[in-house]
Amino acid sequence: EVQLVQSGAEVKKPGESLRISCKGSGYSFTSYWISWVRQMPGKGLEWMGRIDPSDSYTNYSPSFQGHVTISADKSISTAYLQWSSLKASDTAMYYCARPGPDPDSEFDPWGQGTLVTVSS
Amino acid sequence: SYELTQPLSVSVALGQTARITCGGNNIGSKNVHWYQQKPGQAPVLVIYRDSNRPSGIPERFSGSNSGNTATLTISRAQAGDEADYYCQVWDSSTSNWVFGGGTKLTVL
Repeated sequence: EVQLVQSGAEVKKPGESLRISCKGSGYSFTSYWISWVRQMPGKGLEWMGRIDPSDSYTNYSPSFQGHVTISADKSISTAYLQWSSLKASDTAMYYCARPGPDPDSEFDPWGQGTLVTVSS
Repeated sequence: SYELTQPLSVSVALGQTARITCGGNNIGSKNVHWYQQKPGQAPVLVIYRDSNRPSGIPERFSGSNSGNTATLTISRAQAGDEADYYCQVWDSSTSNWVFGGGTKLTVL
């Protein structure tokens, strides 16, 4: 079974750093991109960016470029989303998702989500 | 940048047909995917590449795409279909994924 398992919920203070993870299993991790999607409380889905785990090539939505960093460790089939200095506005649910082999393939599966709460 | 427009909400009577639209410039030339998200859960793929159903998705869910509008159709709507629905396309000009704003489906 193809599966993405994300790390647990986090509570952080403004200015702190954070890295959350997404571990893939049941497939060849380096053969598929991983995308990250943000969902702020009560709001819709926003695509943040993606990574090709085979060579760690990334591309970001202009809305998130420079605010987050996406990385991957193919030796442990894990992708990461990190912040160097969190803001209250980063409070959201974050999902990782895996598209199929084509550039415009659908996202399936999705991780279960990681809730990030940033509050002083 | 490419934009997708969905109605904020759609209501349907129990057992009737709901149609959720997704508008975009020449969206008919793109592959459209649809996701269902229930409260507290991750999104689930219900239609891919305009009109294909993943295994486990009821035949009541169907999709179409032409011109500037893609449509998700839910036949014989059930209470369990109440959820938020999102359309998605790949914008090859920017190498970015784009989601619609989402539509809340209410079954009356």
